[in-house]
Amino acid sequence: QSALTQPPSASGSPGQSVTISCTGTSSDVGAYNYVSWYQYHPGKAPKLMIYEVSKRPSGVPDRFSGSKSGNTASLTVSGLQAEDEADYYCSSYAGNNILLFGGGTKLTVL
Amino acid sequence: EVQLVESGGGLEQPGRSLRLFCTASGFSFGDYGMDWLRQAPGKGLEWVGFIRSKTYGGTTEYAASVKGRFIISRDDSKSIAHLQMNSLKTEDTAVYYCARQGGAWSRDYWGQGTLVTVSS
Repeated sequence: QSALTQPPSASGSPGQSVTISCTGTSSDVGAYNYVSWYQYHPGKAPKLMIYEVSKRPSGVPDRFSGSKSGNTASLTVSGLQAEDEADYYCSSYAGNNILLFGGGTKLTVL
Repeated sequence: EVQLVESGGGLEQPGRSLRLFCTASGFSFGDYGMDWLRQAPGKGLEWVGFIRSKTYGGTTEYAASVKGRFIISRDDSKSIAHLQMNSLKTEDTAVYYCARQGGAWSRDYWGQGTLVTVSS
């Protein structure tokens, strides 16, 4: 299996919304509702932001939302804040006990 | 508070072996499957493999890139997961993370990683 495809970068001004895409295939993103999103600040532990396409773990602000259409999942960050600047990675179950990740998207808050 | 701390990283030569440790605290370690993942320099995250909890047989699964070379094990009495890396290749150079399995194929807690450099 190949890695999921994410745009290398995304940006937005404080208060704006930004959406990051994660494109897979009909064998992974399109086949299962097991898409997760992780926030990564370099040097820190990655943090789970979204699981099962659109569910938020306790403590994650509701500014973060997830969705999926066909083979593409999306993470939307609304009301951008400076602390949202980070790398974001998607993952998806791909069957046969295999987990795939995207290449990551660097989100810049302008 | 859930904490995962990786250790054992360092510089090793191609073809040699290295063993990483993931020490867990703040939760009932034996009740959870545990993953190893890695991030090579300038690259994205890559899933390495996982070990199920004893409830689910304690069995393991691996990515194709490491299958046959890497072995994941666990010691529930010490709340430690291990990653035994054999026949190391330069392309195994990465920061290695351990993570706890959450629901729906998510990984809900991660450590901060340990750097492994494979070079002659």
